[in-house]
Amino acid sequence: NAGVMQNPRHLVRRRGQEARLRCSPMKGHSHVYWYRQLPEEGLKFMVYLQKENIIDESGMPKERFSAEFPKEGPSILRIQQVVRGDSAAYFCASSGTSDTQYFGPGTRLTVL
Amino acid sequence: AQRVTQPEKLLSVFKGAPVELKCNYSYSGSPELFWYVQYSRQRLQLLLRHISRESIKGFTADLNKGETSFHLKKPFAQEEDSAMYYCALKKDNAGNMLTFGGGTRLMVKP
Repeated sequence: NAGVMQNPRHLVRRRGQEARLRCSPMKGHSHVYWYRQLPEEGLKFMVYLQKENIIDESGMPKERFSAEFPKEGPSILRIQQVVRGDSAAYFCASSGTSDTQYFGPGTRLTVL
Repeated sequence: AQRVTQPEKLLSVFKGAPVELKCNYSYSGSPELFWYVQYSRQRLQLLLRHISRESIKGFTADLNKGETSFHLKKPFAQEEDSAMYYCALKKDNAGNMLTFGGGTRLMVKP
């Protein structure tokens, strides 16, 4: 089991572009969580999804951010019209029947 | 709203010395508390959770509801313990989202 996979590991975007971050959960896991880590801060919860459903998006910014976890394929965190303040590490975690969350290596987004 | 505080950003100790990484929380319900660790160039991984009441790699943590603390302790630090440590809280009634503290970097000097 390769564990939670995230790609790309590093992503550079110019202001106004779109960023798409992908997360493949561990095999057999149907719960996915996205967290954001700003420089010098801890991880902040963004969104919790199960297959085809958003369960809790209380940590998502109201605009420009969206997430999905389709029936087939990885979970996608999409950031439209990126701004410099979106520069951060974005971590995905997954869980299965137990609620232990297993984390991916993260995607480091840099907005120029 | 719930909150997790790790007052020390950096903790430096010598090998063999005792180590205590502090974690305080605020939450009115019955939380579940976790410690996660991130070694250099590795992903975040679960170290221990309070409901398991187990010792992992010599680390223990006891939930103190009176003081709302969940400090991580190890009697004799090893160089390989050097890492970032994050305390996290899960609420008792709302999904599985974790609330993390800001993290403490532990450096164990030879």
